[in-house]
Amino acid sequence: DTVLTQSPALAVSPGERVSISCRASEGVNSYMHWYQQKPGQQPKLLIYKASNLASGVPARFSGSGSGTDFTLTIDPVEADDTATYFCQQSWNDPRTFGGGTKLELK
Amino acid sequence: EVQLVESGGGLVQPGRSLKLSCAASGFTFSNYYMAWVRQAPKKGLEWVATISTSGSRTYYPDSVKGRFTISRDNAKSSLYLQMNSLKSEDTATYYCARHYYDGTYYFDYWGQGVMVTVSS
Repeated sequence: DTVLTQSPALAVSPGERVSISCRASEGVNSYMHWYQQKPGQQPKLLIYKASNLASGVPARFSGSGSGTDFTLTIDPVEADDTATYFCQQSWNDPRTFGGGTKLELK
Repeated sequence: EVQLVESGGGLVQPGRSLKLSCAASGFTFSNYYMAWVRQAPKKGLEWVATISTSGSRTYYPDSVKGRFTISRDNAKSSLYLQMNSLKSEDTATYYCARHYYDGTYYFDYWGQGVMVTVSS
């Protein structure tokens, strides 16, 4: 299975720029997607196919990358962005998710 | 507005069965692949099953293949997950999700989830 590795946690101050990384154990083309999960809620799609903003998602969120290295960027970070962010690949079977990066606001 | 509402969760003993349901609304259910994704307590996400629009094709990871069966009733806009031979490691919140196709598949809408606890 394709393993997606994410940093466990990050802490940033409101107004700053944050980059959340996701590294795949093998190439996934551009078929990487990002989800936001706030405490007690279901995941929500943020970015699809590496760099496409999902409907209704603020332009503060952006995605980049291809192959094995991907980044979700939030600029500027707001207090409401406190959440866990998951990457997910759909190039290789089975579809797999990263372990998630918990974003905390200072 | 797309809505996905799961039901059927609960406490079940190891080796027993449980069937989850998901009621969909706000979109033409029969036009979309659907899926189940689970999340063990304080853990990450794991894709569990996907079903094609007509229900003729189903897909599973090895961890549940042969034990779980996904199905759908397009007339009722409903998705199901039959879980047999349950194990403690199946304990998780199970999410119903729309598996959207746009050159590849990703999960564009999720339900609020239903908890399944496998314990004696």
